[in-house]
Order: sequence, then structure tokens, then C-alpha cells
Amino acid sequence: KQEVTQIPAALSVPEGENLVLNCSFTDSAIYNLQWFRQDPGKGLTSLLLIQSSQREQTSGRLNASLDKSSGRSTLYIAASQPGDSATYLCAVMESGGGADGLTFGKGTHLIIQP
Amino acid sequence: EAQVTQNPRYLITVTGKKLTVTCSQNMNHEYMSWYRQDPGLGLRQIYYSMNVEVTDKGDVPEGYKVSRKEKRNFPLILESPSPNQTSLYFCASSFWQGEETQYFGPGTRLLVL
Repeated sequence: KQEVTQIPAALSVPEGENLVLNCSFTDSAIYNLQWFRQDPGKGLTSLLLIQSSQREQTSGRLNASLDKSSGRSTLYIAASQPGDSATYLCAVMESGGGADGLTFGKGTHLIIQP
Repeated sequence: EAQVTQNPRYLITVTGKKLTVTCSQNMNHEYMSWYRQDPGLGLRQIYYSMNVEVTDKGDVPEGYKVSRKEKRNFPLILESPSPNQTSLYFCASSFWQGEETQYFGPGTRLLVL
């Protein structure tokens, strides 16, 4: 059964720093991988979606990479801002059409200090 | 605006009192699903639906029911809620085959006393 692990579980850095969040998964037979952001009391917002055939995706200050063979993904946040404070979740959809839904990691709780 | 809506957002109930959490999407998505989120366990899928009248169990279906009579709606039914169903529930939807991102509702926080 697919397992998704996120490291670190929590991270606190000063504003302006570049940072990397890590995600690993045990079964490389994935359809895609998504990074989500979750704010307290709110739902999940999709940040980046990487198809299994892709190596990376970029959106503004965010860059996500995927190394399917090694079962790893990273989310790079450039020039962090206090508004980036949130929990970041990594999720994989396994091959076969995704009927089984997404398997989530437990998240990285990020705090950006002003 | 493309969105997934859930109601209610917050609910306190007592053991055994049937309740329904509604979910609706306005994006004509075929695929809809329910997740629960618990501290230390993350998000886990409860049920999913690939289209109208097609539903199936996820990882943690015990104690829950769903129905998909219309494409836009996917209610979650707790026939006899128990305290271990206290959780944060999310509904999600997407187009089929996983090529598109999944859109999540704002969540329903349920407390069963």
C-alpha cells in the first residue's frame, strides 16, 4: 500500500529565505503528484500538479520537482513571505485512473517569521 | 466561480442521531470523493464516485453511506454517528482520469458527543 512521507513535519524560518519541503512515496507507479496548501479553518488549495511524465512544474515563487524512480518530490519556495505560512500537503494519485483517490502525506507545518 | 461547497461547516451532534453533510460542485466533474482528516493520521478517503449512480468504498468507509443521484451532489450520510467519527471532513471533485487537479471544499468540522 502506498505511503507518503513528508519531512520536516514543521519548519519555522525568517522571512525572505528560500526553503525546500520534501515528500517521498513508496510505490513509484503513480499517475501524478500534487502539492496542496491548507490554511487553518479552510480547505485545501492545489498549488502544483505534476504528471508522472513530467519532471517539474513552476508557479510564481513555487517550483515542484518529481523524481518518480526514486519516489521523491520537493517543493521549493523562493523568497518566503509571512503569507506563505500554512500546512503544505503532498499527495499522490496511483496509476489506474485514480479511482482510489489521493494518498496524502501528513504535511509540513510552515511558519514564516516576519 | 468554480467551487465545491459543503454544508454545514460546523456540526455538533450526539451519538446515534442521523446526519447528512451535503457536497455540491458546479464544475460538471464526474469524480467526487469524501475524505476525513484526523491529527496524526492525515487525510484518508471514505468513499468516492466516478459518476452518477456509481459509488465505491475508500480506505475508511465503515459507518458512512453516500449517494450520487445527480452529477453535482454527493452527500455523506452518517446513519448512527459515534464519537470516533469526530473529525474534519472534506469533499473533493475533479474530472475523471486524474489529469486535472482535485478541487476541495472548505471542510465540515464534526463533533459527536
